[in-house]
Amino acid sequence: GENVEQHPSTLSVQEGDSAVIKCTYSDSASNYFPWYKQELGKRPQLIIDIRSNVGEKKDQRIAVTLNKTAKHFSLHITETQPEDSAVYFCAARGYGNKLVFGAGTILRVKS
Amino acid sequence: DSGVTQTPKHLITATGQRVTLRCSPRSGDLSVYWYQQSLDQGLQFLIQYYNGEERAKGNILERFSAQQFPDLHSELNLSSLELGDSALYFCASSVGSGNTIYFGEGSWLTVV
Repeated sequence: GENVEQHPSTLSVQEGDSAVIKCTYSDSASNYFPWYKQELGKRPQLIIDIRSNVGEKKDQRIAVTLNKTAKHFSLHITETQPEDSAVYFCAARGYGNKLVFGAGTILRVKS
Repeated sequence: DSGVTQTPKHLITATGQRVTLRCSPRSGDLSVYWYQQSLDQGLQFLIQYYNGEERAKGNILERFSAQQFPDLHSELNLSSLELGDSALYFCASSVGSGNTIYFGEGSWLTVV
């Protein structure tokens, strides 16, 4: 089945700097890659997603890139703000339509 | 508010007991998913239903079972509870199997 690895597990950046989180997946048939943000004790919320027929997608300060050949995708957050501090999860939908999540990245934005 | 409703929000029970967690999907969504999130853990996929039928299964223990009813709400039954079952259980829903999923607020289960 699908396996998703996410790095780094923790990331600290200075306010205003960029943050990059990377994920790799194992199932070459995977075609949908969402990113979720989860604040402490709250539900994961979708922040951006990308499908396999595009290589990049942007939404204001957030962008996601996908490299299907290498089977990896990344989340880029520019001009980070303290409210960006949270746990970020990547996910991939592969065989059987199962949405499998990475282990998460704790992002801390220091002001 | 995602539109996915989960009850109860918090539950404390003893080892060996059985509990039922309930989920109402967003209006119009046919798929329901259950995920388990333990402390410092990621989101572990348990099971997915689509329009009343089991669609995909993850690492769900034999002590756990789930179903989706004709009105599309779903229940996750956890039996013979152990301390390690303490976790946040999320339900999520989507229109179909290949669409964006939206999470509920979760049910906090504490086993003592």
